[in-house]
Amino acid sequence: AQSVTQPDIHITVSEGASLELRCNYSYGATPYLFWYVQSPGQGLQLLLKYFSGDTLVQGIKGFEAEFKRSQSSFNLRKPSVHWSDAAEYFCAASNDYKLSFGAGTTVTVRA
Amino acid sequence: DAGVIQSPRHEVTEMGQEVTLRCKPISGHNSLFWYRQTMMRGLELLIYFNNNVPIDDSGMPEDRFSAKMPNASFSTLKIQPSEPRDSAVYFCASSQGGTGPGYTFGSGTRLTVV
Repeated sequence: AQSVTQPDIHITVSEGASLELRCNYSYGATPYLFWYVQSPGQGLQLLLKYFSGDTLVQGIKGFEAEFKRSQSSFNLRKPSVHWSDAAEYFCAASNDYKLSFGAGTTVTVRA
Repeated sequence: DAGVIQSPRHEVTEMGQEVTLRCKPISGHNSLFWYRQTMMRGLELLIYFNNNVPIDDSGMPEDRFSAKMPNASFSTLKIQPSEPRDSAVYFCASSQGGTGPGYTFGSGTRLTVV
């Protein structure tokens, strides 16, 4: 069955520190891959996406993600976290019209 | 661009009442999706429209749920009768050409059925 797994439910990081959120997928072929961010009471905003080509993808808000086929992973990173990055982050995958989401990782930023 | 517009933002209703959620997709987008978000089940696709036609409604929980898209700029999700277990945040999303470009989500409707 197709699935997306985010192993970390909650991550706490200090402001200015680096952040890495993990995502693994299980699909028959490499799907389209996405990262979304959801702030409290808001909808989901697309941070970045991977279809093919360069395995390091740049997104908005200073985020990047790296696709690793051998590990079926698509991890999200940010070199220096700001307090405004506190939110819930969702990894998603698709090989047709339907997005399958991971359970999400909540990021808390401490001063 | 105003983005995907959903209304109402919050809805509190009594069990057994009819609830209608509304969505205006981004102009020019030909794909529209309704998702439901709950703590227990996360984000689930309820129904997908392409060019105003329902393509996949396999995620609609039961016959109490129905969705329509009478034109390219408007869609509704109706629950009749509503039940407490329908309490969730319902998101509408649209895209141009399916998943490829990535969806644009609305801000959601938080439904509480008491």
